[in-house]
Amino acid sequence: DIVMTQTPLSLSVTPGQPASISCKSSQSLLHSNGKTYLYWYLQKPGQSPQLLIYEVSSRFSGVPDRFSGSGSGTDFTLKISRVEAEDVGVYYCMQGIHLPLTFGGGTKVEIK
Amino acid sequence: QVQLVESGGGVVQPGRSLRLSCAASGFTFSSYAMHWFRQAPGKGLEWAAIVPYDGSNKYYADSVKGRFTISRDNSKNTLYLQMNSLRPEDTAVYYCARRLGATWGFVDYWGQGTLVTVSS
Repeated sequence: DIVMTQTPLSLSVTPGQPASISCKSSQSLLHSNGKTYLYWYLQKPGQSPQLLIYEVSSRFSGVPDRFSGSGSGTDFTLKISRVEAEDVGVYYCMQGIHLPLTFGGGTKVEIK
Repeated sequence: QVQLVESGGGVVQPGRSLRLSCAASGFTFSSYAMHWFRQAPGKGLEWAAIVPYDGSNKYYADSVKGRFTISRDNSKNTLYLQMNSLRPEDTAVYYCARRLGATWGFVDYWGQGTLVTVSS
């Protein structure tokens, strides 16, 4: 199974400041078709996960442009350019290239 | 809009069975593969199973293989998870989710979840 490792475990951010979350996979997520199957989800308190970013850097429908994803191969980053109060929750990366789908352990983002 | 509504959760004794349902609306259910995920209390997300649009080849996580069965009824726009031989470690919120496109992991919409508690 592909192991996904996220850091940090938690982040406390002042509104308007940037935040960055790292995700590393134990194997390359680059498919032979040239696409890289790395996804980012946000689980807000008491809610189900919602898709933020697909295939490393594409924002899902309705996701604000303050969210961006980058990376390649086995190293990936989610950045929030200016954190807002509504961004609190747990962020998960997930690999989608092989079954079983596997997630990082999550990064809890809270507001200072 | 896409809606996925899980039901069927509850408290069950170890070794017993439970069937979860996921009612889909707002999209052509029969065109999409569907997943089940779960999340133990206070823990992270775990993938459990996937069924393609036509219910043919199904895949399971090792933790549920041989005990859980994923199925679907496209005439009823409903996804199921039959859970047998339940164990305390199966205690979790179970989510159904839609797969978008042809890749395993493009999961765009999730239901609100249903809680399964396995306890004597």
